[in-house]
Amino acid sequence: EAQVTQNPRYLITVTGKKLTVTCSQNMNHEYMSWYRQDPGLGLRQIYYSMNVEVTDKGDVPEGYKVSRKEKRNFPLILESPSPNQTSLYFCASSFSRGNEQFFGPGTRLTVL
Amino acid sequence: AQSVTQLDSQVPVFEEAPVELRCNYSSSVSVYLFWYVQYPNQGLQLLLKYLSGSTLVKGINGFEAEFNKSQTSFHLRKPSVHISDTAEYFCAVWPAGNKLTFGGGTRVLVKP
Repeated sequence: EAQVTQNPRYLITVTGKKLTVTCSQNMNHEYMSWYRQDPGLGLRQIYYSMNVEVTDKGDVPEGYKVSRKEKRNFPLILESPSPNQTSLYFCASSFSRGNEQFFGPGTRLTVL
Repeated sequence: AQSVTQLDSQVPVFEEAPVELRCNYSSSVSVYLFWYVQYPNQGLQLLLKYLSGSTLVKGINGFEAEFNKSQTSFHLRKPSVHISDTAEYFCAVWPAGNKLTFGGGTRVLVKP
């Protein structure tokens, strides 16, 4: 089944404790992206990747890192999480720009 | 910078009544346009998209949208809604760059 998976689905952590949210797709998509969803703000892009080893900042990259060492995986790293990073995070992938983005199920992160 | 405005944050509507969700964007150059739907506690899925060609686009579940270049709008419509259409709807714009920008979302609540 074609899908985007994210882990964990729920995470409660404390300020400053490094964490990684994994994202994997099995559709051989080149474009992958991370978004955060906050009430009233819609989805805002954090980082995106056009292909392996090619990443770039989205609209809200501060406090986040990503890597794209393999085509299927695009982990999101929070080196030192802060409470303002409490949010619902979505990973998405597509063949390229302009194509439908397939979204993962989301990761709800709470930073205390 | 690209911006997407969804003019209504919430739209209550009675079952079997029509609904229109408004979306305006700021780009003056060629763009790709999308509508996504998010059902409660789920990820996003594509309703429809406009890449080029006919300005009236038909999507899944009886939804359609009309692209108006002069008004930079991409309004979503459904002639008769069902209870199952209760969800949040997001307009998204993908301009010439690589950043997909979402609107703030419109919550549709269908009442019996």
